[in-house]
Amino acid sequence: DGGITQSPKYLFRKEGQNVTLSCEQNLNHDAMYWYRQDPGQGLRLIYYSQIVNDFQKGDIAEGYSVSREKKESFPLTVTSAQKNPTAFYLCASSPYAGLAGVRYEQYFGPGTRLTVT
Amino acid sequence: AQKVTQAQTEISVVEKEDVTLDCVYETRDTTYYLFWYKQPPSGELVFLIRRNSFDEQNEISGRYSWNFQKSTSSFNFTITASQVVDSAVYFCALSEATTNQFYFGTGTSLTVIP
Repeated sequence: DGGITQSPKYLFRKEGQNVTLSCEQNLNHDAMYWYRQDPGQGLRLIYYSQIVNDFQKGDIAEGYSVSREKKESFPLTVTSAQKNPTAFYLCASSPYAGLAGVRYEQYFGPGTRLTVT
Repeated sequence: AQKVTQAQTEISVVEKEDVTLDCVYETRDTTYYLFWYKQPPSGELVFLIRRNSFDEQNEISGRYSWNFQKSTSSFNFTITASQVVDSAVYFCALSEATTNQFYFGTGTSLTVIP
């Protein structure tokens, strides 16, 4: 079955620790995205990548880092610099047709709920 | 400024009632795409529909229908004869041809009461 996997579903960490959230897709999509969801605030873009070894900051990139070494994988690291890391994190992917090309729908993973205490 | 506004934070309806979820967007691009997603309690967003800015035809898919009006920058979503399984948070989103980002509204939480 094609899809996006995120692991783990629930993650608990102590304040001051870095933590890496996994996102893998087997849809052969070029573009991948990380969003953060807080109650009442919808989805906010953290980072996105249209191609391997390239990625761009979204609206709330501070305190986060990513890598895109493989097309299938786009891990997100929540660093200790992120002041309020407790949230629901969603990874998504989509085909990418270029800057002025068609915008296709995103496919989302099941999410990781991170709690930092 | 918010590019996508979903003014209805929460809506409750009784089963079998019709319900319309509003979405207003803002863009200067002539080419853009609009989307609706459903987020059930499990958390995973499910894609419902995509519409490009050159196609103003309304669409119907079973009990779901969408009304796209460029004149009012709106892309509203109607569920006919609602069911308990429709209870979820619904998000409207915009993607512009000149950027590589998707802009989501804050979502509308729909509760269908049996």
